[in-house]
Amino acid sequence: KQEVTQIPAALSVPEGENLVLNCSFTDSAIYNLQWFRQDPGKGLTSLLLIQSSQREQTSGRLNASLDKSSGRSTLYIAASQPGDSATYLCAVKASGTYKYIFGTGTRLKVLA
Amino acid sequence: SQTIHQWPATLVQPVGSPLSLECTVEGTSNPNLYWYRQAAGRGLQLLFYSVGIGQISSEVPQNLSASRPQDRQFILSSKKLLLSDSGFYLCAWSAGGRDYGYTFGSGTRLTVV
Repeated sequence: KQEVTQIPAALSVPEGENLVLNCSFTDSAIYNLQWFRQDPGKGLTSLLLIQSSQREQTSGRLNASLDKSSGRSTLYIAASQPGDSATYLCAVKASGTYKYIFGTGTRLKVLA
Repeated sequence: SQTIHQWPATLVQPVGSPLSLECTVEGTSNPNLYWYRQAAGRGLQLLFYSVGIGQISSEVPQNLSASRPQDRQFILSSKKLLLSDSGFYLCAWSAGGRDYGYTFGSGTRLTVV
């Protein structure tokens, strides 16, 4: 059974820092991995989608990497801003399924 | 472009009352549709998903049910709500095929009192 873990559960950093959020999964047989952002009381916004054949994806200040063999993905946020404060979730789509399994998220607070 | 609509945004219902939440997708055909629940301080739990009209897969046995009466419409229902049904309900869609990611609706905050 696929399990997804995100560490740390919460993170507080000063504005301008580069930071890394981690996502681990137990079964390396995946179709893809997706990173989301969730603001309090809101739905999830897709940030990046990495297919199993890819090693990384970039969008603006965000870069996500995928290492299937070790069951890990990282989300790198460059030059963090207070507007980046949110909960970040990763989700893994296991081979043979249509559904994502979600991690419990990292709650990020960027201090001005 | 594709859009997903979910309503209502908030709902307060008494224990034992029925529930109907609706989700519709525009700008695509034959989407895969999903219902998730997010309880306070907890992760997302997949409730139901559908890969075609009339096809529903249930992930968690409970007093909720789902239906897909039209290609781009997904409905979450209950005949009698429990206190434990409170939570944030999210609908999502993806294109057919496993290579595609999810797009989520804005969610419904349900409080059962």
